[in-house]
Amino acid sequence: EPEVTQTPSHQVTQMGQEVILRCVPISNHLYFYWYRQILGQKVEFLVSFYNNEISEKSEIFDDQFSVERPDGSNFTLKIRSTKLEDSAMYFCASSMARNAEAFFGQGTRLTVV
Amino acid sequence: GENVGLHLPTLSVQEGDNSIINCAYSNSASDYFIWYKQESGKGPQFIIDIRSNMDKRQGQRVTVLLNKTVKHLSLQIAATQPGDSAVYFCGHAGGSEKLVFGKGTKLTVNP
Repeated sequence: EPEVTQTPSHQVTQMGQEVILRCVPISNHLYFYWYRQILGQKVEFLVSFYNNEISEKSEIFDDQFSVERPDGSNFTLKIRSTKLEDSAMYFCASSMARNAEAFFGQGTRLTVV
Repeated sequence: GENVGLHLPTLSVQEGDNSIINCAYSNSASDYFIWYKQESGKGPQFIIDIRSNMDKRQGQRVTVLLNKTVKHLSLQIAATQPGDSAVYFCGHAGGSEKLVFGKGTKLTVNP
């Protein structure tokens, strides 16, 4: 069964450093997403990406964040100048269409120290 | 503003019983609703979705009911099994790709 894969599973970084979280969405999907989940809290939308550009973003997704689809398979989330409060699980997801079943990856646990 | 919440944070049932998990939303423009299951340490797993032109949809052992009048969504799980133990999130989207999730209900199935 096709799945969304994310690497690394766990990333520890020092405050102020930049991190890149990587995702390989399902190959024939067209919409890509990043969500985050702070420990014990709900899953929050960060950004959606379609047709090689950001289609929607939340208020969380400020200039500290950026996304890229550098080739036909990878989808990355870059977080610049990380802060302690960026510590969370980051989930990548993809879907065939808008407002359709989105498949989530297993997540990257980001710990900022 | 948008708000998606759950009536109960935890639900405990006996194996074989039916489970009902409820969700309320506030955005009347919502037109797409979805349920996810999340097991500890894993990513959300799709269960079932429903669009606003329907009020009921059935899957394998699961049924989603949508009441747009009172902005209420529920997930029914028939013959609940220990493997169903997880946190269940409802979510919605209203004319956008942004899925807004609730906090979740933790379902515990007792053998």
